[in-house]
Amino acid sequence: DAGVIQSPRHEVTEMGQEVTLRCKPISGHDYLFWYRQTMMRGLELLIYFNNNVPIDDSGMPEDRFSAKMPNASFSTLKIQPSEPRDSAVYFCASSLAGTAGYTFGSGTRLTVV
Amino acid sequence: GENVEQHPSTLSVQEGDSAVIKCTYSDSASNYFPWYKQELGKGPQLIIDIRSNVGEKKDQRIAVTLNKTAKHFSLHITETQPEDSAVYFCAARPGSSASKIIFGSGTRLSIRP
Repeated sequence: DAGVIQSPRHEVTEMGQEVTLRCKPISGHDYLFWYRQTMMRGLELLIYFNNNVPIDDSGMPEDRFSAKMPNASFSTLKIQPSEPRDSAVYFCASSLAGTAGYTFGSGTRLTVV
Repeated sequence: GENVEQHPSTLSVQEGDSAVIKCTYSDSASNYFPWYKQELGKGPQLIIDIRSNVGEKKDQRIAVTLNKTAKHFSLHITETQPEDSAVYFCAARPGSSASKIIFGSGTRLSIRP
């Protein structure tokens, strides 16, 4: 398996633009997590899904953030409109119920100017 | 909710010496404690984990210990090598969660040649 695949690896966008981050979890994993990493706040859980259903979105900072998982092999995190304070590395991770360990993707480094 | 505190934030040790990173958690019902290693430009990678019914676990040069009474767990790396230089995160899974884990703030470990 190729692991968790995220795209793009880097994204630079202007304030006010829409940004969409993409994630393909490991085949067979039934949990998917979106994290944001910054120097100030560390690793923050934004939202997670179980069997494509959002379970906990309490970490989503504002209504500007939304996430979807239309099927077991694909998820998106969208920011609209983007702001400079959204600049961070966004990680997607997946896991299999009962095994507990997460597998992280390589992340998307987002810069909003 | 669960809160995980990690110390120290930075650690520098001589190659060949041991390194110890300590974490505390707040939810006495937490039952799973993984440790992740994050190398530059990559996502965190699970290196070892321990469950609440076990006091210690070893895997070659790394070991984790858990003190449930004190709500404290630690990572021990012996015979450190240059490739051990990375950021290490502890984490805990609250008793109320089937899969969500809460991360500590991270420790940047540097190995001096």
